[in-house]
Order: sequence, then structure tokens, then C-alpha cells
Amino acid sequence: GAVVSQHPSWVICKSGTSVKIECRSLDFQATTMFWYRQFPKQSLMLMATSNEGSKATYEQGVEKDKFLINHASLTLSTLTVTSAHPEDSSFYICSARDPGQGIYEQYFGPGTRLTVT
Amino acid sequence: GQNIDQPTEMTATEGAIVQINCTYQTSGFNGLFWYQQHAGEAPTFLSYNVLDGLEEKGRFSSFLSRSKGYSYLLLKELQMKDSASYLCVGGNFNKFYFGSGTKLNVKP
Repeated sequence: GAVVSQHPSWVICKSGTSVKIECRSLDFQATTMFWYRQFPKQSLMLMATSNEGSKATYEQGVEKDKFLINHASLTLSTLTVTSAHPEDSSFYICSARDPGQGIYEQYFGPGTRLTVT
Repeated sequence: GQNIDQPTEMTATEGAIVQINCTYQTSGFNGLFWYQQHAGEAPTFLSYNVLDGLEEKGRFSSFLSRSKGYSYLLLKELQMKDSASYLCVGGNFNKFYFGSGTKLNVKP
């Protein structure tokens, strides 16, 4: 149980275009999902907390107009990187909390590697 | 703040025991978690502590002392596949705060 998927696994896009990344909880309902970014040889940095049916909460320094988050249902959250630039190239990972498994534990998706050329 | 410190890199021998320490400075954590991350992959959950003491889970054990802001992850009977980064993570209901990770190299 508690499986989280992401799509796509990797994507290459041109500078100035937008990319959408999907995060799905496959066997549980996630009222809260989290989006992280990880640069090479660095740890995960929380970008935003996505709550179903309400606006996402962004961490300091993360541009909400650039990283659009939509949590339209209890099993799906999307992150759209708008007007992507090469410096946005990173590993994007989502996680979700399964209330049935414990209130603290988060389950991570496999990640999406974004390369902006 | 949520400063979480752990060693950058460690090396150990297959079959041995290794302890990865983590210290933190925060007043907002409800739990201390350990995750394993292989290069290019997402983290996978290993263990967590909400109360002081030792939690054992097969070859992996984790210890927490909240008063000292200290935790460690103990790996026994090391295997080559244990070569990975180990992330110390402080968490509450709303957020996880990640340490920079300890890269463990297991050699034959």
C-alpha cells in the first residue's frame, strides 16, 4: 500500500516553454501532497505544500507564479513549471501523506528529472 | 531554525555495523525520520522515532534523544546494496525538513 506515482519520469523541454508534472496517490486518498526539488549532490528542498481543494502554501523563495500547483482531487496534484529556464533543471519529487498509515509519514513518488535546454 | 547536521560521507566494510549520527536544533519537530536514497531515485522510508529511545526494524535501528537533539541510524550486517545516501529528516504534521544526507560507501 501507500504507492505514489509521478509522470513523466523525465522530460526535456526548451527554454521558455511550460512543463506539467503529475503526482498521484494510487491506493489511498491524500489530502496533502508535498513538492520538493533536489539539485545534484544536494538534499531535498520543500517547494510547496499542496492541499486538496485549496491554494498551495509555498516556501519562502519559491515563486508561486512560476511553479503552479493544482490539487484538484484527493489522488492528484500537478506542478507546472512555467516559462522554464535552464536553472530550473532539477529532480522534482512529490510526496503524500496517507492518513491511514500514520499522521507523520510521507511516501515519495519516484521523481521527475527535468532538463531545460 | 531547523538546522539538521549529519556527516557528509562515511565508508564501511561489508558485514560490519555502521552508525550515522544526526543532530538538530528545532522546537517544532514531532518526529525524526530516516530515509534511504540511491542516486537518481526518490527517498524510501526506513525508520522513525516519535519518542526517545531505540526503534529496531530488522537490520536497521534508529535512536532518538529529544532533549539532546540527537538521533542515529544503525545499520547492521552491511551489504553492498546499502551503499546510498541516508537522510535525517525532522518532521511535524505539516512539513519535513531534510538534512543534507550522509553518503555511505560499503566496500567488500
